[in-house]
Amino acid sequence: QVQLQESGPGLVKPSETLSLTCTVSGGSVSGYFWTWVRQPPGKGLEWIGYIYFTGITTYNPSLSHRVTISVDTSRNQVSLRLASVTAADTALYYCARYQESPRGFDPSGPGTLVTVSS
Amino acid sequence: QSALTQPASVSGSPGQSITISCSGTRSDVGAYNFVTWYQQHPGKAPKLIIYDVNKRPSGFSYRFSGSKSGNTASLTISGLQAEDEADYYCGSYTRSNSWVFGGGTQLTVL
Repeated sequence: QVQLQESGPGLVKPSETLSLTCTVSGGSVSGYFWTWVRQPPGKGLEWIGYIYFTGITTYNPSLSHRVTISVDTSRNQVSLRLASVTAADTALYYCARYQESPRGFDPSGPGTLVTVSS
Repeated sequence: QSALTQPASVSGSPGQSITISCSGTRSDVGAYNFVTWYQQHPGKAPKLIIYDVNKRPSGFSYRFSGSKSGNTASLTISGLQAEDEADYYCGSYTRSNSWVFGGGTQLTVL
């Protein structure tokens, strides 16, 4: 059974770059899309973007100028970089597998909280 | 792109049925039959419960069903049980080749 685990700094300073890694176990990143979704405390979900294992990416238009998602098939990892962060980027960040049957984001990792603060 | 519109909260008694609406536009909900619903219990990651408007992932309860009319999708939960108490989010693929979610609905089982 595929399991995902997000990791990275829990605290990032304003204007710096947030970097997270999602490690996939129990399966391969190859053959699938992998996505990042975030949830500000007490708020709803926001789709950040996804990447196909070949490296093709699609981003949320509202974040595309700051987001980079990459994949490392040798390490079975997917990474997220979000530049020029502000307090509005404080959120629980989830990585998840996206597939078309069933079409959606599942499974996902437990999430990792990133706080943007000086 | 704007978030899809969901009621902030709904409630029902055990055994009853409830419906959660998800209102979008011709550019998202109304554009494709790619509407998803997620269930999120407190402190847990979201779980896919409905995809392609009205399909259930393998093994998921038949008490959950989805539908769509025009730019509005709906999730119906029948035979409410205590464990259904959670937050529910709709999501839709958009004409911008991206995904958008609703603001979430908190379900309380009385």
